[in-house]
Amino acid sequence: QQPVQSPQAVILREGEDAVINCSSSKALYSVHWYRQKHGEAPVFLMILLKGGEQKGHDKISASFNEKKQQSSLYLTASQLSYSGTYFCGTDPGGANNLFFGTGTRLTVIP
Amino acid sequence: DAGITQSPRHKVTETGTPVTLRCHQTENHRYMYWYRQDPGHGLRLIHYSYGVKDTDKGEVSDGYSVSRSKTEDFLLTLESATSSQTSVYFCAISPGGEGVREQYFGPGTRLTVT
Repeated sequence: QQPVQSPQAVILREGEDAVINCSSSKALYSVHWYRQKHGEAPVFLMILLKGGEQKGHDKISASFNEKKQQSSLYLTASQLSYSGTYFCGTDPGGANNLFFGTGTRLTVIP
Repeated sequence: DAGITQSPRHKVTETGTPVTLRCHQTENHRYMYWYRQDPGHGLRLIHYSYGVKDTDKGEVSDGYSVSRSKTEDFLLTLESATSSQTSVYFCAISPGGEGVREQYFGPGTRLTVT
């Protein structure tokens, strides 16, 4: 039930945009996004719920296509602080038990 | 930052020995989770708890047991550690209540089984 993330890694210059995709083979109740910096704990960014509700970060946006079981995270005008590994977590049953993807490593350079 | 601590933060142990990892929270959150993180696998759920003495298995529970006798503490035990259990272990908490809620992660415990 592990979701598939793409790309696996991306390098951006400051100010550029990026899209990270998350795809599941199972119907989903919600999708969660986290960012993890090297040697640190994952940090919550956003939850997208079936039906369109979103909770989370005010400077990062995301979409959730329920029919395709896909979510995308949009990072615009990237900053150096955006560097890290981004994980999506999928929740097929609404019980908040997450299946995480293997992550997308984002590096922002000056 | 959510009040979550994990102990120990680093541990080296030998194959066959028992190991207990502790997660402590000061947020009075109902839900607590144990994950392991390995290269190429991301985070995988081991066990979770939805209240005192209420626990259930996750995706990779074989070889692990848990206990929760108080709201604030969630213990993960490896009864007889194996080299395949070398990993970084993260505890997470979630407020629960109505609807889907975010999870907050502790700092992690790096466990090496030799």
